[in-house]
Amino acid sequence: AQSVTQLGSHVSVSEGALVLLRCNYSSSVPPYLFWYVQYPNQGLQLLLKYTSAATLVKGINGFEAEFKKSETSFHLTKPSAHMSDAAEYFCAVSSHYQKVTFGTGTKLQVIP
Amino acid sequence: NAGVTQTPKFQVLKTGQSMTLQCAQDMNHNSMYWYRQDPGMGLRLIYYSASEGTTDKGEVPNGYNVSRLNKREFSLRLESAAPSQTSVYFCASSELGGGQYNGYTFGSGTRLTVV
Repeated sequence: AQSVTQLGSHVSVSEGALVLLRCNYSSSVPPYLFWYVQYPNQGLQLLLKYTSAATLVKGINGFEAEFKKSETSFHLTKPSAHMSDAAEYFCAVSSHYQKVTFGTGTKLQVIP
Repeated sequence: NAGVTQTPKFQVLKTGQSMTLQCAQDMNHNSMYWYRQDPGMGLRLIYYSASEGTTDKGEVPNGYNVSRLNKREFSLRLESAAPSQTSVYFCASSELGGGQYNGYTFGSGTRLTVV
């Protein structure tokens, strides 16, 4: 069985501050890990993915995430928040050719 | 633009009415999925189709049926709508086969209200 836990349903940061969104996963086999972003009234877009090629993964819009097997974590970071980063972010886990399991999401608020 | 197209974008139904949500993808993906999104609950899988000709239940299939019409199209039907089915519905697709796994491509959603 696989699962994802996102710590914090709402996160607020000031514009220009570090963004850190936490994700811990559980998987009995080596996982694929994803972060998706959902802007208001839109579908989910793939932000970045980990598929075992490198532990530090860079995605779109300056986001990156680091796979830490010992901590079963895949936290999402961005050095400097921008107003346009305000959205809901979903962490997700899968294994080879299996369906994706999504976390419950973290809404990011960016304060001017 | 290539992607996943869902229709309609908005719908209001009365309790007991039926309707079909349509989904089509033009990326030659093998697998397609229907999710519902409710506040605080993330995305929950309703049904999926691993390949053309196959469908399987997901986490919350009760009250829904699906049809994989061909490789491109995957529809979701509500036979007798209930207020508990008020939600945002997303269709997604993914490639299946060798090589790197690329995650899902999502449609823009159908916002359904059952009154």
